[in-house]
Amino acid sequence: AQKVTQAQTEISVVEKEDVTLDCVYETRDTTYYLFWYKQPPSGELVFLIRRNSFDEQNEISGRYSWNFQKSTSSFNFTITASQVVDSAVYFCALSEGYNFNKFYFGSGTKLNVKP
Amino acid sequence: DTGVSQNPRHKITKRGQNVTFRCDPISEHNRLYWYRQTLGQGPEFLTYFQNEAQLEKSRLLSDRFSAERPKGSFSTLEIQRTEQGDSAMYLCASSLAAEYSANYGYTFGSGTRLTVV
Repeated sequence: AQKVTQAQTEISVVEKEDVTLDCVYETRDTTYYLFWYKQPPSGELVFLIRRNSFDEQNEISGRYSWNFQKSTSSFNFTITASQVVDSAVYFCALSEGYNFNKFYFGSGTKLNVKP
Repeated sequence: DTGVSQNPRHKITKRGQNVTFRCDPISEHNRLYWYRQTLGQGPEFLTYFQNEAQLEKSRLLSDRFSAERPKGSFSTLEIQRTEQGDSAMYLCASSLAAEYSANYGYTFGSGTRLTVV
């Protein structure tokens, strides 16, 4: 079974619009961590944000914010006032337990921000 | 420190040939990971080292694949008798202990794109 599902394959927005990327995860562990990564065309995955399973408080960091809801196993990521440089593929990832031996990635959402 | 370095960036090989990729992690990172990413998909875990010890391997890592990290620094991933299905981006990542990963995740390299023709 897929542990991380990103149902949105591709999203296109116009610059300055807000955009939300969806992520649904599945795990039986009570301790787990969720991450969002950005993959620009250069290929390198860049860490953006993370959340642990014990803290459901939603946060804002600059133009990024996230909404973590254990009741629906969702970890959605919002970019406010999108910019062309935000164009990339975004991946949601799950790490179970506290060992961080492996991450389970979703299939990614390609974001196109048009000027 | 320039981050995680992977060489080569691109590799084209004929089916049946052997290939070897190299990963140089961030120098103080004791953990090193290999992932494989096929077109349109997210990265999939292959294997994980803590220092020189290979602690976990995915079932995706068939007998044709071998990874080493001889001195706990750089790592190599070798694929023997390549098949067209091996065509993918091979990503390396590194991190410190768990507390670091909890806050910062992994640091990834730019990957080696393998094309088997």
